[in-house]
Amino acid sequence: GAVVSQHPSWVICKSGTSVKIECRSLDFQATTMFWYRQFPKQSLMLMATSNEGSKATYEQGVEKDKFLINHASLTLSTLTVTSAHPEDSSFYICSASNRGLVSISYEQYFGPGTRLTVT
Amino acid sequence: AQRVTQPEKLLSVFKGAPVELKCNYSYSGSPELFWYVQYSRQRLQLLLRHISRESIKGFTADLNKGETSFHLKKPFAQEEDSAMYYCARLNKLTFGGGTRVLVKP
Repeated sequence: GAVVSQHPSWVICKSGTSVKIECRSLDFQATTMFWYRQFPKQSLMLMATSNEGSKATYEQGVEKDKFLINHASLTLSTLTVTSAHPEDSSFYICSASNRGLVSISYEQYFGPGTRLTVT
Repeated sequence: AQRVTQPEKLLSVFKGAPVELKCNYSYSGSPELFWYVQYSRQRLQLLLRHISRESIKGFTADLNKGETSFHLKKPFAQEEDSAMYYCARLNKLTFGGGTRVLVKP
């Protein structure tokens, strides 16, 4: 099956620093990648959708200047949390799809997630 | 707003008992709905989708447009079914709040 990896799996950083999280589709080309955020004991909240070679589309309430997303290739998307603060501590999950959103049926393959702790 | 609602946060059943996880959606049009499962310390994975009308691991889910529901059912729960279950809809894969299922021996 399709595999999506994330790196790092966990990271601790100091307040004010930036952190980059990578999401890779290992055995398929991902035309679309999604970034989610999950707080403890809560559901996944979509942050943004990125298509290869174009700017990401951010959900309402998500600061695009704070959460920089780059989808430079069909197998890699990165999320950079800039000037991180303790309230940015969360579990960040990416998913990848090999079909466009116009398709009736497609499957998203999820990465294992990255736990970010900002001290 | 288009929502997916899972009213139960926790379902605890005994092994061999039936289990039903409720999911309701609000959506104008023809939704495409999914059930995802997350086992302990594992990533989220697709369990089933309504258009395929399949049974996976003994689970089935029927889309009821009249009741705007997509409940997940299994007639005989097993201990390995203990997990978090999320109902989700397309577009942008919006997730419900999740239901934790605990199957007791």
